[in-house]
Amino acid sequence: DAKTTQPPSMDCAEGRAANLPCNHSTISGNEYVYWYRQIHSQGPQYIIHGLKNNETNEMASLIITEDRKSSTLILPHATLRDTAVYYCIVRGINAGNMLTFGGGTRLMVKP
Amino acid sequence: GAGVSQSPSNKVTEKGKDVELRCDPISGHTALYWYRQSLGQGLEFLIYFQGNSAPDKSGLPSDRFSAERTGGSVSTLTIQRTQQEDSAVYLCASSLERGNQPQHFGDGTRLSIL
Repeated sequence: DAKTTQPPSMDCAEGRAANLPCNHSTISGNEYVYWYRQIHSQGPQYIIHGLKNNETNEMASLIITEDRKSSTLILPHATLRDTAVYYCIVRGINAGNMLTFGGGTRLMVKP
Repeated sequence: GAGVSQSPSNKVTEKGKDVELRCDPISGHTALYWYRQSLGQGLEFLIYFQGNSAPDKSGLPSDRFSAERTGGSVSTLTIQRTQQEDSAVYLCASSLERGNQPQHFGDGTRLSIL
């Protein structure tokens, strides 16, 4: 799987958009970008994934650059409950069975 | 809809005892995964089931660990003769068949070995 780089921590004001960046410059053509988050004492929660087109669901939007070397997860109106560690994972469809999380970004939403 | 359900949510047991952890995957998900997560650490893959295929047991740390999946649905992870280093959160995930389908996780079983 391609390596990803995320800032270790970010702050966001409640009600504002949270934009979480991820660099994956070695991504290959068949690898997808996945985002998960983990809130303390809970299991990882799937947020969104995409290949090359921008994606949106009820939780977030995923913006992938045209060269696919980086992406941004957008939480449009962050709430205190969005405080969590966010993980960006790049994974091919033939990557095997395990999911590997890196260090992630610890997002702190502040009132 | 219902997510992945794991039980018990917490388990405290004495060293040397056997424990069984249960996972109910999302209905219709053919793939099931077990991981463990030690305090402040990342995910450690344990075992993977896909349909009727032989499971991938490559992540099991020792022969004290085993898992089965009955009827292609519920899975049980068994740890025999538990040791203190087995203390961790054991997470189960399920997904539709492989490919780009995301894994969905339960909230785990927090296992503490005294």
